Amino acid sequence: ETGVTQTPRHLVMGMTNKKSLKCEQHLGHNAMYWYKQSAKKPLELMFVYSLEERVENNSVPSRFSPECPNSSHLFLHLHTLQPEDSALYLCASSQDRTNTGELFFGEGSRLTVL
Amino acid sequence: LAKTTQPISMDSYEGQEVNITCSHNNIATNDYITWYQQFPSQGPRFIIQGYKTKVTNEVASLFIPADRKSSTLSLPRVSLSDTAVYYCLVGVMDSNYQLIWGAGTKLIIKP
Repeated sequence: ETGVTQTPRHLVMGMTNKKSLKCEQHLGHNAMYWYKQSAKKPLELMFVYSLEERVENNSVPSRFSPECPNSSHLFLHLHTLQPEDSALYLCASSQDRTNTGELFFGEGSRLTVL
Repeated sequence: LAKTTQPISMDSYEGQEVNITCSHNNIATNDYITWYQQFPSQGPRFIIQGYKTKVTNEVASLFIPADRKSSTLSLPRVSLSDTAVYYCLVGVMDSNYQLIWGAGTKLIIKP
């Protein structure tokens, strides 16, 4: 248990569906992140939020839309995805934007796009 | 941004000490060195972090030579449950928020 909870753990969706991934952290951290991990590839940083403000968008297609309503919750809204978007989506948090790299990850949401 | 190089895979046996070395030739003055462990279908888990010399916690030790161009994660008396992928990261979470994740080292512990 890392203090970062992701739901759902598994999601199967068609290319025309709209779904959302949810992340919640109970650590009092100020920064939250979305990462994508595809098979045989390194983790890719997608988005960074600090104090609920998006501070990094790492050239992610617009079919991925993040939302951070408060410092404890982070969403990733998905629409018109492609099969190559199938991956493990990981949420992480850290104390603040100047943290030296200690990230706390959730267990991930395994997404399959048909 | 500092890039790291680690072995793709390693094998060892239960009860042995395992050392995984990471090279980071272009480490910057203010970079920290951080190691993570990842099991299949789970997020990475922080193991240890250091800046120089030696750091030890309840699960591992991290050895960093004076030039900081490499670091070695040492896992004492490994067990089957230590089978995982281990990532070495170098960087500092400044305004770029970029920690470069490599492919990691897949460690397999045999009985």
